[in-house]
Amino acid sequence: EDQVTQSPEALRLQEGESSSLNCSYTVSGLRGLFWYRQDPGKGPEFLFTLYSAGEEKEKERLKATLTKKESFLHITAPKPEDSATYLCAVQGYNFNKFYFGSGTKLNVKP
Amino acid sequence: DVKVTQSSRYLVKRTGEKVFLECVQDMDHENMFWYRQDPGLGLRLIYFSYDVKMKEKGDIPEGYSVSREKKERFSLILESASTNQTSMYLCASSLRQREQYFGPGTRLTVT
Repeated sequence: EDQVTQSPEALRLQEGESSSLNCSYTVSGLRGLFWYRQDPGKGPEFLFTLYSAGEEKEKERLKATLTKKESFLHITAPKPEDSATYLCAVQGYNFNKFYFGSGTKLNVKP
Repeated sequence: DVKVTQSSRYLVKRTGEKVFLECVQDMDHENMFWYRQDPGLGLRLIYFSYDVKMKEKGDIPEGYSVSREKKERFSLILESASTNQTSMYLCASSLRQREQYFGPGTRLTVT
């Protein structure tokens, strides 16, 4: 069964405490893996696209990596403004089908 | 920057009313999507359109219909609103098979 699993469900960090969020998938024929940030009551904001194992993308304190079965979103020295829910989505053989994970809710305390 | 706008941020409707949610994108994207997002259930695809007047059912199309008369506009219609359609509705667009860009969402409450 095609699915995307994110862990942990929730993560509390102190400001400056680096950590990683995980997105594992069993979707056949990976076309792309996408990371989004979602603030409460708002739509998801696009962060990164990864297309193949070994690929990495960076933006400020965030770095996304991809292996054959999972992706990590590394957060280096997070700040309170990084607090949000981070969603992972995978696109398989069917280009128009995106499988979303349930998200990791990140809370960064000052 | 890609911009996806939705007609309302908050909407309150009564059971049985016909409800229209509108979405407009300004980047000439071929694909447009409607999702609903509920706690514990994540994002679920309602309908998808890959061209003007073309549509495909998603995972939960029952009770909904869509209309795409112009490339930039994609409407979601609740034919007869019910309380179980209370949810956050999210519109998204994408260029061919690339990443999706989402609108701000419409929080719909059906009483």
